[in-house]
Amino acid sequence: KNQVEQSPQSLIILEGKNCTLQCNYTVSPFSNLRWYKQDTGRGPVSLTIMTFSENTKSNGRYTATLDADTKQSSLHITASQLSDSASYICVVREGTGANNLFFGTGTRLTVIP
Amino acid sequence: GAGVSQSPSNKVTEKGKDVELRCDPISGHTALYWYRQSLGQGLEFLIYFQGNSAPDKSGLPSDRFSAERTGGSVSTLTIQRTQQEDSAVYLCASSLGRGGETQYFGPGTRLLVL
Repeated sequence: KNQVEQSPQSLIILEGKNCTLQCNYTVSPFSNLRWYKQDTGRGPVSLTIMTFSENTKSNGRYTATLDADTKQSSLHITASQLSDSASYICVVREGTGANNLFFGTGTRLTVIP
Repeated sequence: GAGVSQSPSNKVTEKGKDVELRCDPISGHTALYWYRQSLGQGLEFLIYFQGNSAPDKSGLPSDRFSAERTGGSVSTLTIQRTQQEDSAVYLCASSLGRGGETQYFGPGTRLLVL
């Protein structure tokens, strides 16, 4: 069964600290993995996309990693800011179809001053 | 507009009433998706439109739910005889439609059924 699991479910950190969010998946065949950021009351916005051959990709203070062998991905946030408070959703695409997407339930990150 | 827009942003309705939710995708995007997001839950796929092809309705939870996409652009999600469990955020997304590319989400419609 194709699944995407994220951990932790929620996380509270102090401003300026680093954190790492986890995403484990069983989706096969794997096409790509995206991390989305969803601010409260807004739609999700894509942060990074990882394909099979990519191990790490950065977008500013966000760095995503992918281990296709263990089917794990992480999103590392460096020097957190209050504006990083949001839900972070891991989405895995299966095969080549445009609609074969599997969504994690997200990690709710709260950054406090 | 530059992004996906949805209306209304909030909708409160009585149980048993019908509601219509609207999505305006990004111009030129041939793929359009509807999702439902309940509190503390992941996004639940509802329906997918791709160009002039027959829509993928496999995610619609019951026959009370239907959606149309007119002229390959604007889409309307209709929920008939709403139930309290229909309360959720309904998100629309569009993409270029070639497969594998980024989805751009609208801000969602927050539906509350009393």
